[in-house]
Amino acid sequence: GENVEQHPSTLSVQEGDSAVIKCTYSDSASNYFPWYKQELGKRPQLIIDIRSNVGEKKDQRIAVTLNKTAKHFSLHITETQPEDSAVYFCAQGSGTYKYIFGTGTRLKVLA
Amino acid sequence: DSGVTQTPKHLITATGQRVTLRCSPRSGDLSVYWYQQSLDQGLQFLIQYYNGEERAKGNILERFSAQQFPDLHSELNLSSLELGDSALYFCASSETSGSYNEQFFGPGTRLTVL
Repeated sequence: GENVEQHPSTLSVQEGDSAVIKCTYSDSASNYFPWYKQELGKRPQLIIDIRSNVGEKKDQRIAVTLNKTAKHFSLHITETQPEDSAVYFCAQGSGTYKYIFGTGTRLKVLA
Repeated sequence: DSGVTQTPKHLITATGQRVTLRCSPRSGDLSVYWYQQSLDQGLQFLIQYYNGEERAKGNILERFSAQQFPDLHSELNLSSLELGDSALYFCASSETSGSYNEQFFGPGTRLTVL
């Protein structure tokens, strides 16, 4: 079936350290993998995405890597700042019409 | 601001009642998605419409229904409400119906069932 496993569920890091969140998917037909950031009480917002023909993508302090063979993709945040504190959701374009979202990771950046 | 609007922002009602949530997609977007997010939970996909037609269904209860109108706005109808239906309901839109496009989320409607 279609599902996305996301780990860890919570992550605390010291300001300036790196944070890594990993997602594993099951649908080999998936070709699009977005990451969304959701601050408390706010709407999810796309922060970075990657398509299946690319192995890595960077945008300033944020990067996403994709391993199609192992069916996992990861979000990397470097030089974390307090404003990075939020819930992060991975998702996969399931090959049909919808996204399958991961269960979310609550990131706390400690000042 | 994503360009997706949702009304109302907050809704408080009683068990057994029926409510309608409204969503207007970004200008030019043809697809609308509905999600339910219970407290401290993930985003549960409910249903997707593309240009007025239902395209995909998720874990949507039979008590819930939705539609997309010719002007592309969408409504989610929730009936025979139960306490467990209390949640944040998000609408999202995208240009096309494929799962390879960015979805833009609205601000959400917070539903409280007492």
